[in-house]
Amino acid sequence: GGIITQTPKFLIGQEGQKLTLKCQQNFNHDTMYWYRQDSGKGLRLIYYSITENDLQKGDLSEGYDASREKKSSFSLTVTSAQKNEMAVFLCASSRQNYAEQFFGPGTRLTVL
Amino acid sequence: GDSVTQTEGPVTVSESESLIINCTYSATSIAYPNLFWYVRYPGEGLQLLLKVITAGQKGSSRGFEATYNKETTSFHLQKASVQESDSAVYYCALGARNQGGSAKLIFGEGTKLTVSS
Repeated sequence: GGIITQTPKFLIGQEGQKLTLKCQQNFNHDTMYWYRQDSGKGLRLIYYSITENDLQKGDLSEGYDASREKKSSFSLTVTSAQKNEMAVFLCASSRQNYAEQFFGPGTRLTVL
Repeated sequence: GDSVTQTEGPVTVSESESLIINCTYSATSIAYPNLFWYVRYPGEGLQLLLKVITAGQKGSSRGFEATYNKETTSFHLQKASVQESDSAVYYCALGARNQGGSAKLIFGEGTKLTVSS
C-alpha cells in the first residue's frame, strides 16, 4: 500500500498572487497527475507527468505551471490566482500502463 | 470526443431499497477503454470503488456491481439493498492510455447519493 499527501490542506491567497501546491506519493508510481474540481462538478486534468522531469499538459493547463522534481513529488503553481478558480485541487498517481489512479485528499483553494 | 455522462444528482433512496446510477460513455479516440467507479464518502478522499477493463465483464465491490457494456456504451452502478453508510458522491470514469504509457481519466460530474433510514 501507499499514501498520497497534499500540502497545504487549505490555501488562501489574494487575487493575482502566485501560489504553490505540493504533492508527495510513496507508491513508487511513475505517473502523477493534477486535477481541478469545481463545486458540484467532475475532475478536470491540469497537468500530468510520466516520469521525473517530464511534464504534459492536460485540458486545463492555462494559468498553471507544474514541476516534477523527483519521482515521489509533483507540485502545481497557480501563476496568478483568480477568483473564478476557487476549487479543490486533487493530486493522483498511477503505475505506468495502468489506468487506475490513486488520489490524495485535496487542497482547497480560496481566492480573496 | 471522449466523455462520460452519469445520473444527475442528488439522488435519495430509502435504506434497503435498490439503487441504479446510470453511466454512459463516449470513447471515440480510445481503442480499449477501461471503466471505473470512484466514490467520495463524507470527509474522505476520492477512492476507487470498482473497475472493469474488459468489455462484457462485471466488477463488484461492497455489494455494488457494474457491467461494462460495449454495445450500449454503458457502465451502470447497481446495488440491491443500500445502507445509510453508502451515502456518498459516486463518479463514473473512463480510462484512456496516452502516448508514453500514462493513463488519463475522464470523469463524469458525480452523483450525490443520500440513503435515508
